[in-house]
Amino acid sequence: DVKVTQSSRYLVKRTGEKVFLECVQDMDHENMFWYRQDPGLGLRLIYFSYDVKMKEKGDIPEGYSVSREKKERFSLILESASTNQTSMYLCASSFSDPSRSLAKNIQYFGAGTRLSVL
Amino acid sequence: LAKTTQPISMDSYEGQEVNITCSHNNIATNDYITWYQQFPSQGPRFIIQGYKTKVTNEVASLFIPADRKSSTLSLPRVSLSDTAVYYCLVGPERAGGGADGLTFGKGTHLIIQP
Repeated sequence: DVKVTQSSRYLVKRTGEKVFLECVQDMDHENMFWYRQDPGLGLRLIYFSYDVKMKEKGDIPEGYSVSREKKERFSLILESASTNQTSMYLCASSFSDPSRSLAKNIQYFGAGTRLSVL
Repeated sequence: LAKTTQPISMDSYEGQEVNITCSHNNIATNDYITWYQQFPSQGPRFIIQGYKTKVTNEVASLFIPADRKSSTLSLPRVSLSDTAVYYCLVGPERAGGGADGLTFGKGTHLIIQP
């Protein structure tokens, strides 16, 4: 079974703090993603990575950065947390080669981290 | 990038068949249609994927007309546990190197009542 693990289910931080959200997957997936989910707005892509040290901006990258030093780990960094970054953050991963997956581009998600910035 | 449109919410009752339709008028030739399900406090999970005609698995069926401009997710004999948000995504075969097919949108909130 594919496992995508996010380091924390709940996190409370103060405005201005540097925040690290960690995600680890155990399926040798090339692609990894970070989304945020807000009521009424659905899931929005922040960043994704298609290989170690490679990253691309998603729809809402402002205020975030990412790090992928190892294939299995993808970190989301809030350099200076703000209250408008209070949200549910979801990590996902997928194969780059569709022949390795039971369907094209299936993403496997972690359980999410609910971040509150006070 | 194909944009999708689906109803914001739907209600049904236990034991009924539920059909959720997604419109994707500018779907490209190499795009697949994928549906995900999300329960509260969990990440989305893959349900079904298709390219054309009909696909069926143990969870759902997916109907795609010949013009592929829409698709319908069919859930047979729903139960209370099918209450969830359902997302329709349209995108090409490979996600590597691009964000095509990664727009989840707001989904359809399906509520099943006793």
